[in-house]
Amino acid sequence: KNQVEQSPQSLIILEGKNCTLQCNYTVSPFSNLRWYKQDTGRGPVSLTIMTFSENTKSNGRYTATLDADTKQSSLHITASQLSDSASYICVVSAISQNFVFGPGTRLSVLP
Amino acid sequence: SQTIHQWPATLVQPVGSPLSLECTVEGTSNPNLYWYRQAAGRGLQLLFYSVGIGQISSEVPQNLSASRPQDRQFILSSKKLLLSDSGFYLCAWGPGTRFNQPQHFGDGTRLSIL
Repeated sequence: KNQVEQSPQSLIILEGKNCTLQCNYTVSPFSNLRWYKQDTGRGPVSLTIMTFSENTKSNGRYTATLDADTKQSSLHITASQLSDSASYICVVSAISQNFVFGPGTRLSVLP
Repeated sequence: SQTIHQWPATLVQPVGSPLSLECTVEGTSNPNLYWYRQAAGRGLQLLFYSVGIGQISSEVPQNLSASRPQDRQFILSSKKLLLSDSGFYLCAWGPGTRFNQPQHFGDGTRLSIL
């Protein structure tokens, strides 16, 4: 069964600190993986997308990594800001065109 | 540039009343369109998707229906709302080259059933 798991479920950090969010998946055959940021009460916004051949992709202070062998991805946030408080969702697509959403990690950045 | 509009932003409806949520996309042609529901603290659940006018696929059996009367218009409806229909409804679109995960989401409609 195609599944996407994310950890931790929620995370609280202080402003300026770094953090890493995890995504593990069983979706196969793998096509691509996308990280979204969803502010409270808003729609998700795409941060990065990675295909099988890509190991790392950055978008400003956000850096996503992908290990297709272990079927794991991480999203690293550097020098966190209050505006980083949001839910971060991992979405994995299969070559068959099915895609699976993870449950998300709720990040709270405190001053 | 492409934009997606969804309305209303919030809606409070009594049980048994009808529903119509509308979504329109601008700046692109023949997009794939999606309706999602997000329960509080839960992940997104795909409800319907459409690859063209009049073509609707339902992912889960439910009290809702969808229609696509125009290329860039996607409507979510219900004849009689249930308490369990409460949630956050998101419309999304992706390029129509093939069915793939949506790339752009609307800002959602918060639906509360009383």
